[in-house]
Formats: sequence, structure tokens, C-alpha cells
Amino acid sequence: DIVLTQSPDSLAVSLGERATINCKSSQSVLYSSNSKNYLGWYQQRPGQPPKLLISWASTRESGVPDRFSGSGSGTDFTLTISSLRAEDVAVYYCQQYYTYSWTFGQGTRVEIK
Amino acid sequence: EVQLVESGGGLVQPGGSLRLSCSASGFTFSAYAMHWVRQAPGRGLEYVSSIIYNGGTTYYADSVKGRFTISRDNSKNMVYLQMSSLRAEDTAVYYCLKDATGVGDCWGQGTLVTVSS
Repeated sequence: DIVLTQSPDSLAVSLGERATINCKSSQSVLYSSNSKNYLGWYQQRPGQPPKLLISWASTRESGVPDRFSGSGSGTDFTLTISSLRAEDVAVYYCQQYYTYSWTFGQGTRVEIK
Repeated sequence: EVQLVESGGGLVQPGGSLRLSCSASGFTFSAYAMHWVRQAPGRGLEYVSSIIYNGGTTYYADSVKGRFTISRDNSKNMVYLQMSSLRAEDTAVYYCLKDATGVGDCWGQGTLVTVSS
């Protein structure tokens, strides 16, 4: 199975500041035939189901604020929140769909400093 | 509006069985793969199972293979997860997801399964 390791496990960021979450894959999730990275990002607010933010490593879902961005390729990926807002307090997960047996990162908790 | 509503969770003894259901609405159900993902209390997300649009192919996590069976009824817009030989480590909230080319673009609210004597 592909193992996804997120870092850090948690971070505290001041309102309006940048939050950066990393996701490292144990093998490449880049499909050479279409040059797409099979990696997504989810946000899970307390008491809520996860919400899809980004697919294909960098494609923001409809309605997701543009302060959320995804980058990276191959085995190393980043989710950036450019200017943290109170409603962004949540746990964030990366997920690979390169193989049909999906795997998720362990999650990164984002809090307000 | 896309909606997924899970049901069927509850308390079951180790070794017991349970069938989860997920009712879908607001999209052409028969055109999409569907998935189950679970989350143990206070823990992260764990993939469980998937079924393609017509039910012809299914996938399972190694942790549930041989014990869980996913199925769907496209005439009723329903997807099911039959769980047997349940263990304490199967205790979790089980989420039903609609597929969007490999990611879950819509999740239900989840149903809690507790395996305990």
C-alpha cells in the first residue's frame, strides 16, 4: 500500500497568516500517461464529515475559497492556506487515488495561535 | 442537491453482523462509483470499500477483505455494506461517499458502528 505521511501533525497559526501542510508519499502518485497526480486534500471541521478541497493535487473544487491552494508532484505535496481565517480550524487530510485501495495521511490539525 | 444518508449503525457484539445502507439523491446514481470510508473515534480516515457504477467490480481494504461485502441497487439509489465477523477494531463512524474520478466529492454524515460485548 502507498503510505502518506503528513507534516506537521498539528500547527497553530495567527489569523491572517499562512499555514502550510506537507504530504509525502511512499511512492509516486504521478500517472505518466496523463501527467496527473492522483492526490486530493480534504478539510474536516469538528463534528463534520470531511469536505473535498482539492483534487489532482492542485485543482480547487467549486466553491472552495482561493486562499486554499495545492501544489507538488510525484511524491511531495503541499496544501497552503494563504491567510488563515477562524473557519479554517480543522483537521486536513491528503488522500491518494493512484491505487484503488485509497490511503489517507494521518491528518494535520490546524488551530489559531 | 446531492445528498447521502447512511443508516444501519449500532451496537453489535464481536463476531456479529450488521448491514449499513446509504441512500443517495440529487445525482444520477447509476453513473457513479461509490465508496465507504471509516473513522475510528478520535482517529483518522481509513478506506474501506468501493463499487463501480454498475456493481461489476468491487474493491476492499485488506483489513476488511473476506468479512465485508459492498453492493448496490441502482433501481433504488442505494449502496450497502454487509459487515460480518465484526471485531472491536471495526468500531468507527462509517461514511458513504460519491465518487468524483477517484476522490469523494460528497460525503454523508456517517453512521456509528460500535463493536463491543
